[in-house]
Amino acid sequence: NAGVTQTPKFRVLKTGQSMTLLCAQDMNHEYMYWYRQDPGMGLRLIHYSVGEGTTAKGEVPDGYNVSRLKKQNFLLGLESAAPSQTSVYFCASSSEASRSGNTIYFGEGSWLTVV
Amino acid sequence: LAKTTQPISMDSYEGQEVNITCSHNNIATNDYITWYQQFPSQGPRFIIQGYKTKVTNEVASLFIPADRKSSTLSLPRVSLSDTAVYYCLVGPSGSARQLTFGSGTQLTVLP
Repeated sequence: NAGVTQTPKFRVLKTGQSMTLLCAQDMNHEYMYWYRQDPGMGLRLIHYSVGEGTTAKGEVPDGYNVSRLKKQNFLLGLESAAPSQTSVYFCASSSEASRSGNTIYFGEGSWLTVV
Repeated sequence: LAKTTQPISMDSYEGQEVNITCSHNNIATNDYITWYQQFPSQGPRFIIQGYKTKVTNEVASLFIPADRKSSTLSLPRVSLSDTAVYYCLVGPSGSARQLTFGSGTQLTVLP
């Protein structure tokens, strides 16, 4: 039972480079999210998706793009990486059925360093 | 969205009961209270959720007074492995995208 899987787990980028973080979930969840977490801070929502083919901005969307071409996958892209984007990125998913409560399932995290 | 306030950090000793209180003065009628636990280098993990009174599961208990303006997460007989950050979130059930993770409470369990 994989749950939420993120790749890669670690990555070092040079300023200006681009990359894509991949997220896959096998729980058939409608909603998927990308968060970032800086040292000593809580999680901040970057973008989220309420279903295949739809995305929406979260709290800190600037500098990131996302795509949800398949229900089980949610991709986070950095077009031109900046040192301020050095962070730990968490992908998550949830079922939005009211009876599911507010249970969000998180991946293991992706550590990104931009030099 | 209801704003939450919780202590930045707490220390406890192994075997003690730990109570972490969260304030949410402007909680809405349809809001639920949810607690998550995060270990270093891991994503947060759901612990418990409640609407009113008391909820208990195999991990913790959640106490919610009648006015619902605060809630208390109770961890019985903590061990060193309970050292983690604990987040209190408030929002409508089934609307996880509206939940906001604050800085949480760093619980340190000492031997």
